[in-house]
Amino acid sequence: EAGVAQSPRYKIIEKRQSVAFWCNPISGHATLYWYQQILGQGPKLLIQFQNNGVVDDSQLPKDRFSAERLKGVDSTLKIQPAKLEDSAVYLCASSLLAGPYNEQFFGPGTRLTVL
Amino acid sequence: TQLLEQSPQFLSIQEGENLTVYCNSSSVFSSLQWYRQEPGEGPVLLVTVVTGGEVKKLKRLTFQFGDARKDSSLHITAAQPGDTGLYLCAGVGAGGTSYGKLTFGQGTILTVHP
Repeated sequence: EAGVAQSPRYKIIEKRQSVAFWCNPISGHATLYWYQQILGQGPKLLIQFQNNGVVDDSQLPKDRFSAERLKGVDSTLKIQPAKLEDSAVYLCASSLLAGPYNEQFFGPGTRLTVL
Repeated sequence: TQLLEQSPQFLSIQEGENLTVYCNSSSVFSSLQWYRQEPGEGPVLLVTVVTGGEVKKLKRLTFQFGDARKDSSLHITAAQPGDTGLYLCAGVGAGGTSYGKLTFGQGTILTVHP
């Protein structure tokens, strides 16, 4: 079974530029998550999708971050414009269903460096 | 907002030594998960503890969930260089807006020297 795919793996941009990340979850997984992991910290949930609907985006900085999952499969996360403090690893995860008893499977992440 | 305090942040030990990592919170969780993350990879689930007081063993790793489901520990016996990595605990929300959501600790970077 293929795992969660993410691209690109690395991205370096200058502040105020835009960037987009792509995630393809495990086939059949209805729930998709985007996390931000700043160096030295644990992952922080940015947004959770159930199929193509947003379940929780309470920690997403909506003035600059946006995410979509139009067909309920793959997803994109965009930052526009980027700030220095956005430098982090962006992890995508998926689970069969939402809820406490459904294991989340993580992709390898995209490491973003904002100069 | 639920918080999970993980300690120590860094651990550097010699092969063969034992170690314990702690996760503490003032919040009750429905379960607690432990992950291991290698450089350049996403976290991989090691174990989920669900019942207060539960103890699970995975070879040389022993995981314990506190009686009140607010804290947990990971104990590694006779550490090996292959155990080197970032260990993360994550509490699974028990109710309300936190239901089913993961709250991660800051992580423990473990280095085991040969």
